[in-house]
Amino acid sequence: KQEVTQIPAALSVPEGENLVLNCSFTDSAIYNLQWFRQDPGKGLTSLLLIQSSQREQTSGRLNASLDKSSGRSTLYIAASQPGDSATYLCAVRYRGFNKFYFGSGTKLNVKP
Amino acid sequence: DVKVTQSSRYLVKRTGEKVFLECVQDMDHENMFWYRQDPGLGLRLIYFSYDVKMKEKGDIPEGYSVSREKKERFSLILESASTNQTSMYLCASRYRLAGGQETQYFGPGTRLLVL
Repeated sequence: KQEVTQIPAALSVPEGENLVLNCSFTDSAIYNLQWFRQDPGKGLTSLLLIQSSQREQTSGRLNASLDKSSGRSTLYIAASQPGDSATYLCAVRYRGFNKFYFGSGTKLNVKP
Repeated sequence: DVKVTQSSRYLVKRTGEKVFLECVQDMDHENMFWYRQDPGLGLRLIYFSYDVKMKEKGDIPEGYSVSREKKERFSLILESASTNQTSMYLCASRYRLAGGQETQYFGPGTRLLVL
């Protein structure tokens, strides 16, 4: 069964800290993996997408890595800011499946 | 910028009413999706469509139907709303670039309350 797990469910850090969010998936036959951000009561905003052939993607202070053999992806946020406070969701598309499987998210709070 | 819009941000309906949720994307994407999001359960796929008039059931299609008469519009229909359909509904569209890269874009969501 395809599952996506995100740990921790919630994280609180002081402003300026570097942090890592984790995403685990159960099947190495993935097509791609996407990280999203969701602000309270809003839709999802795409942050980074990693194809199965890639090891990492970077955008500004964000870096996402992919290790298919261990079934893990990490989202690294450098020099965190209060504006980064949101829920971060990981979504995996497996080969042969048209849909994304979503993790339940990590709720991040960056304290000023 | 890709835009995915949903007809309502908030809706309040009564049990038994027929409810229409509309989603429109402006980028000629072939694939469109309806999810619902509930605390503790995450996002669950209700239905998706890979072309006009084509649809497939997702994980939780019971109590829902969909319509895609035009490429840009994907409608979710609650035939007879029930209180357990109170939820946040999210629409998404997906496209594929040359080389196989693809990404999903989400709408702002519709928060539905069924009384």
